[in-house]
Amino acid sequence: KAGVTQTPRYLIKTRGQQVTLSCSPISGHRSVSWYQQTPGQGLQFLFEYFSETQRNKGNFPGRFSGRQFSNSRSEMNVSTLELGDSALYLCASSLGTLAGFGNEQFFGPGTRLTVL
Amino acid sequence: SQKIEQNSEALNIQEGKTATLTCNYTNYSPAYLQWYRQDPGRGPVFLLLIRENEKEKRKERLKVTFDTTLKQSLFHITASQPADSATYLCAQASGNTPLVFGKGTRLSVIA
Repeated sequence: KAGVTQTPRYLIKTRGQQVTLSCSPISGHRSVSWYQQTPGQGLQFLFEYFSETQRNKGNFPGRFSGRQFSNSRSEMNVSTLELGDSALYLCASSLGTLAGFGNEQFFGPGTRLTVL
Repeated sequence: SQKIEQNSEALNIQEGKTATLTCNYTNYSPAYLQWYRQDPGRGPVFLLLIRENEKEKRKERLKVTFDTTLKQSLFHITASQPADSATYLCAQASGNTPLVFGKGTRLSVIA
């Protein structure tokens, strides 16, 4: 079974631009979650989508948004980029939702975003 | 809000010894704790899950304990090897809350 894939792997943008990252989950997985990882803050939850619905959202500004398609593929968008948005963005998929049952998450390799 | 702390940023141990990593949480007791391994430049890889009604879980050389009184989970790697060198992350959730990750402990196993 193919793992979680993320595109692109690396991205360089300038302040004020917007960016869209893509994630393809493992076949059959309906939950996709997004995380931001930085050296200072560690791994922080952005949002979770399950069956095209946002189930949970972390404490990030509205510039961060996402969506999920009917084939479970997901995209996240960051508008009006700031220097502090430079990070590794990780996507993870699981069979069920994160809530309550501790579904194992499978992470992709991440997209390294650099904002200049 | 729930906080989760891994109180060692880095841990160095000799090959063959048992590595013990600690994860502490505050406020409410999580429904479960998960442990992940992350290598440089890669996404985390799931290792073990332990639920609130379980005291201990094992998988090969790995063992996780969950002490709700101490609000702590311990992660042990027995007979450690240089290949075990990585960053280990714990994560917890309860009810409908999203997973909260600790900042990780960077383990170095020295041959």
